[in-house]
Amino acid sequence: EPEVTQTPSHQVTQMGQEVILRCVPISNHLYFYWYRQILGQKVEFLVSFYNNEISEKSEIFDDQFSVERPDGSNFTLKIRSTKLEDSAMYFCASSPTGTGLAPQYFGPGTRLLVL
Amino acid sequence: DAKTTQPNSMESNEEEPVHLPCNHSTISGTDYIHWYRQLPSQGPEYVIHGLTSNVNNRMASLAIAEDRKSSTLILHRATLRDAAVYYCILRDVRTGANNLFFGTGTRLTVIP
Repeated sequence: EPEVTQTPSHQVTQMGQEVILRCVPISNHLYFYWYRQILGQKVEFLVSFYNNEISEKSEIFDDQFSVERPDGSNFTLKIRSTKLEDSAMYFCASSPTGTGLAPQYFGPGTRLLVL
Repeated sequence: DAKTTQPNSMESNEEEPVHLPCNHSTISGTDYIHWYRQLPSQGPEYVIHGLTSNVNNRMASLAIAEDRKSSTLILHRATLRDAAVYYCILRDVRTGANNLFFGTGTRLTVIP
């Protein structure tokens, strides 16, 4: 069964450094998402992406964040200058359509630790 | 998105049925009821969704009240692998992007 994959599984970085989290969505899906979950807290929506542009973003997704689909298969989340509070699990998801009917399929996540 | 209310936690014995309730008294006519779950240290996983009629799939059943103000996710025989946080989420079929807004969910403990 097709699945969403994410790399790396764990990333440790120094505050102020740039990180890129990578995701390979399910191949025939058209909508892509990033969520994050700070330890012990809710899963929070960051951004949705369709047709090579951002569809919607939350207040969390500020100028330090960016997303890209560089090659038709990968979907990346870049954090330009990491802060301690960016430490979290980051989940990528994809769905075949963008309606309220379509399930989203999540990857296993990348655990980011900012020191 | 319309709000849902779920108990913080529930327990079930292994191999017994589990009924996980969700209240959504402000649901609109175009809101679908979705259930996701999150196993420990994993990403959320789609379970089931429905609009008005009860729904069954290989993972679970979804029972929707006639007035749609509440629903129940039914796991017919709980296994240890079903221990997870279960989220009830309303999604308006009219909106695009399909973003999911997770609450705190119900933490299900399965007792061997």
